[in-house]
Amino acid sequence: GAVVSQHPSWVICKSGTSVKIECRSLDFQATTMFWYRQFPKQSLMLMATSNEGSKATYEQGVEKDKFLINHASLTLSTLTVTSAHPEDSSFYICSARDRVSSGADTQYFGPGTRLTVL
Amino acid sequence: DAKTTQPPSMDCAEGRAANLPCNHSTISGNEYVYWYRQIHSQGPQYIIHGLKNNETNEMASLIITEDRKSSTLILPHATLRDTAVYYCIVRGYSTLTFGKGTMLLVSP
Repeated sequence: GAVVSQHPSWVICKSGTSVKIECRSLDFQATTMFWYRQFPKQSLMLMATSNEGSKATYEQGVEKDKFLINHASLTLSTLTVTSAHPEDSSFYICSARDRVSSGADTQYFGPGTRLTVL
Repeated sequence: DAKTTQPPSMDCAEGRAANLPCNHSTISGNEYVYWYRQIHSQGPQYIIHGLKNNETNEMASLIITEDRKSSTLILPHATLRDTAVYYCIVRGYSTLTFGKGTMLLVSP
């Protein structure tokens, strides 16, 4: 199956700093990538949809100036958490959509990035 | 997208078949049924999807009722590594929306 990688797998940072998370589709091109956030014992919540070469679409309640998304190529999207605070500590997961000829398209997920803000 | 209903938890003995049900009574004609699973502290893993025919791959089988209002994911020989939260998601052309899923615990 298609492989999506994320880097780093975990990061600890001080409050007020910015953190960049990379998401790569390794063996397919993804015109659309997605960023999710998951708090402990909760399900995944979609943060934003990222289309290659255009601005990301953010879900209601997600601050676009705080969570900067760049999708500069068909295999790479980045999420930057700016001025991180302890409440931003979470598990961030990206996914990439692989469009197939059957009409359905499947999203493949990365392994996730554990962010801890002190 | 149509909502789904899954039991919050299920148990299964190692080596036995695990049958995970999902109700999606409001599914519309162009919506697919997707199954993903999430092992603790990992990203979700795609398992299988279908529209109206039963599907099988190396991981599982998906049985969709004729009226498409419910489906069952079958893991034919569950192993301890199949312990995870299983998500049944119905979607058309929009994004995946995750519910609470079913926590499957496979025991020795």
